[in-house]
Amino acid sequence: EVQLVQSGAEVKKPGESLRISCKGSGYSFTSYWISWVRQMPGKGLEWMGRIDPSDSYTNYSPSFQGHVTISADKSISTAYLQWSSLKASDTAMYYCARVSEVTPGDIWGQGTMVTVSS
Amino acid sequence: DIQMTQSPSTLSASVGDRVTITCRASQSISSWLAWYQQKPGKAPKLLIYKASSLESGVPSRFSGSGSGTEFTLTISSLQPDDFATYYCQQYNSYSLTFGGGTKVEIK
Repeated sequence: EVQLVQSGAEVKKPGESLRISCKGSGYSFTSYWISWVRQMPGKGLEWMGRIDPSDSYTNYSPSFQGHVTISADKSISTAYLQWSSLKASDTAMYYCARVSEVTPGDIWGQGTMVTVSS
Repeated sequence: DIQMTQSPSTLSASVGDRVTITCRASQSISSWLAWYQQKPGKAPKLLIYKASSLESGVPSRFSGSGSGTEFTLTISSLQPDDFATYYCQQYNSYSLTFGGGTKVEIK
């Protein structure tokens, strides 16, 4: 079964760092890009950026460039989204999605809830 | 960034109704448009890609059309399982963007 499995919910304080993960299985991980998508509570979907796991090439939405870092470890079929200094406004559900040649997201992870609160 | 504008933002309909949701792009995106369905507490589910291609396993009552800057998602006969929020997403440019969403509610 093709699937993306994300790491569990996180509760952090402002200023802390965080890395969440997205592990692919059931397909060739290096053959598809991975996108990250944010959904703030009660709000819509926002595309953050994507990575090509074969060479770790990334591109980011201008809204998120410099605020997060997307990376991947192809040896363990895992993509990451990380923050160096969280803010309360980073509180959201974060999804990873597989990007195919013709679709921007055919398989989605279950989501990781990140709560940032003092 | 290419801006995607969905309308309406909320839609009230009854089971059996024909429902149409519109998505407009701020510039031409050819046919590089996808539609998703999202239910509360769940990840989005791909319905349509390349504007009009039905994703495998998606019921045929869902269809997509359009090209350039104007696109529609049509549900030919609304079913109880279809009450959800729908999003369009363009993937023509280097930076992908979503529409604001359309919530389909029970009338």
